[in-house]
Amino acid sequence: DIQMTQSPSSLSASVGDRVTITCRASQSIGSWLAWYQQKPGKAPKLLVHRASILESGVPSRFSGSGSETEFTLTISSLQTEDFATYYCQHYNNKFTFGPGTRVEIK
Amino acid sequence: QVHLVESGGGVVQPGRSLRLSCVGSAFTFSNYGFNWVRQAPGKGLEWVTFISSDGSNKEYADSVKGRFSISRDNSNNTLYLQIKTLRTEDTAVYYCARASFRPYWGQGTLVTVSS
Repeated sequence: DIQMTQSPSSLSASVGDRVTITCRASQSIGSWLAWYQQKPGKAPKLLVHRASILESGVPSRFSGSGSETEFTLTISSLQTEDFATYYCQHYNNKFTFGPGTRVEIK
Repeated sequence: QVHLVESGGGVVQPGRSLRLSCVGSAFTFSNYGFNWVRQAPGKGLEWVTFISSDGSNKEYADSVKGRFSISRDNSNNTLYLQIKTLRTEDTAVYYCARASFRPYWGQGTLVTVSS
């Protein structure tokens, strides 16, 4: 089975900071990678699918890149509303999730 | 617009059974595989099970194998998750999600296992 890892597991950042979260797959998954944002008590919100396709309505400060086994989610200038937990997901038929990265206010 | 709506959650005693449903609309349901995903309070997202478009292929997480059963009724655009012998650790929000170029999720249904 494919395993997904994320780093860091948590980070503290300030408004305006550039933030990068890395997701690694245990074997090649092509571009079958999605990123989600989740806030407490809410369902996960899709930000990026197919590794780099930004979901409609998601601010352009979010971007996804990578392929095969290494992927990144970048927030170019962190805003207050971006403090949340972020998950990567391999989703070609069966799903596999990364453990999540919690982005906190410094 | 693709729409998935889960139902069937609630408060259930340990050892009882429960069946969750997920109805899809605004797309050809029978063309897609589906997954159930759960999230226990304060925990991460956990994949539970997958079913192929025609129902011929099913996969389960080790943590639920033998107690959970996924099925579908393509004539009624409905996905099911049968849960037997519920445990307190099954307490979670359960989401159905479509496996496709772009994943689509429902809003989830809460299952609370408590005596």
